[in-house]
Amino acid sequence: TQLLEQSPQFLSIQEGENLTVYCNSSSVFSSLQWYRQEPGEGPVLLVTVVTGGEVKKLKRLTFQFGDARKDSSLHITAAQPGDTGLYLCAGGENTGTASKLTFGTGTRLQVTL
Amino acid sequence: DAGVTQSPTHLIKTRGQQVTLRCSPKSGHDTVSWYQQALGQGPQFIFQYYEEEERQRGNFPDRFSGHQFPNYSSELNVNALLLGDSALYLCASSTGLAGSDSYNEQFFGPGTRLTVL
Repeated sequence: TQLLEQSPQFLSIQEGENLTVYCNSSSVFSSLQWYRQEPGEGPVLLVTVVTGGEVKKLKRLTFQFGDARKDSSLHITAAQPGDTGLYLCAGGENTGTASKLTFGTGTRLQVTL
Repeated sequence: DAGVTQSPTHLIKTRGQQVTLRCSPKSGHDTVSWYQQALGQGPQFIFQYYEEEERQRGNFPDRFSGHQFPNYSSELNVNALLLGDSALYLCASSTGLAGSDSYNEQFFGPGTRLTVL
């Protein structure tokens, strides 16, 4: 069973601070996706990274896929209260006949004024 | 362009009962996956349907079954409900099956909150 560990589990910071969330696995994934989930809603896809070493930026969010495609990080610059939510990384596995996502344990972020 | 829709939004059942949850995929998508998300945890893969067949299954008992219709919509059925089945059930849709060297992005619906008493 492939597992994805996220750290930290919880993070409470003030508006304007920077933060990094880590997603680590002992297994290789064909892709790595990051989602944000609000209470009572489904996860919303933020980004997909595919190539080892790939870096993608989405406004104040920077996503990186490790060279070995086993780990990833999400960096948020100048956090805002609207960034509050549960951040989930998910590794994509494709067998040719099916595909599935293995989700990480999640990082709950709270940004206060 | 409608996204993934799920019904009902909330459901309360008692132990031993059976439940059916429904999902309509995003327009243009033909693959539906179901996930179970317990409180405070990440979603866990239940199974995936493509071309009306179950293509892959996660570590869930046979009490969990599904179906995909010709219009790509899907149902998740759970029999003999247990207290531990209480969770948010998420449906995700995507386009076709990706080969081993590619990827497919999955888009999630809002989920159905199931409470088993």
